[in-house]
Amino acid sequence: NAGVTQTPKFRILKIGQSMTLQCTQDMNHNYMYWYRQDPGMGLKLIYYSVGAGITDKGEVPNGYNVSRSTTEDFPLRLELAAPSQTSVYFCASSSGLYATNEKLFFGSGTQLSVL
Amino acid sequence: AQTVTQSQPEMSVQEAETVTLSCTYDTSENNYYLFWYKQPPSRQMILVIRQEAYKQQNATENRFSVNFQKAAKSFSLKISDSQLGDTAMYFCAFLYPNTGNQFYFGTGTSLTVIP
Repeated sequence: NAGVTQTPKFRILKIGQSMTLQCTQDMNHNYMYWYRQDPGMGLKLIYYSVGAGITDKGEVPNGYNVSRSTTEDFPLRLELAAPSQTSVYFCASSSGLYATNEKLFFGSGTQLSVL
Repeated sequence: AQTVTQSQPEMSVQEAETVTLSCTYDTSENNYYLFWYKQPPSRQMILVIRQEAYKQQNATENRFSVNFQKAAKSFSLKISDSQLGDTAMYFCAFLYPNTGNQFYFGTGTSLTVIP
């Protein structure tokens, strides 16, 4: 009963380095999302996907890239990390079936620091 | 643009007392869903309660209930008989099915339950 699995939980990057945050879900959900959470700012949508092969930008996509080659996986790529990308990142998924108690299922989050 | 406003950054309540967290939103949509999520110090995002905009009856889940005023675009959360475990950040969120199933979040209210 894994739900949404997100790795790593913590990471420290140097400015200019790159990394990929992994996210996988085992609920056969169509929709997947990446959010970042900054203190006092709530959750901001970075990218989302409505199904395998389809991705779209959210509110704050600059500096990030995503791919959705399978229904299960939705990795987030950070290229040329900057201090402004220091944040907590959440992956989430939803079924898209409104009649069946639609809600977001969240991963456990990644604390990323760029120094 | 869809906006969500939580005007109370921090609140506190005595154990066993009742507290109400406020949330307002701005939308031209007629079909949407409303949520309150709880984020304890563990960082995990936990769904507290869900409300469909087309339902007039306010949702309740044990000690948690909402006051949904559609015309006023208000969606407040009432926590009765507050417990120490209710100490957390609370986020109001909205789902607009017609915008790629995107969820929009407020900036959060940090609630502290005082023993």
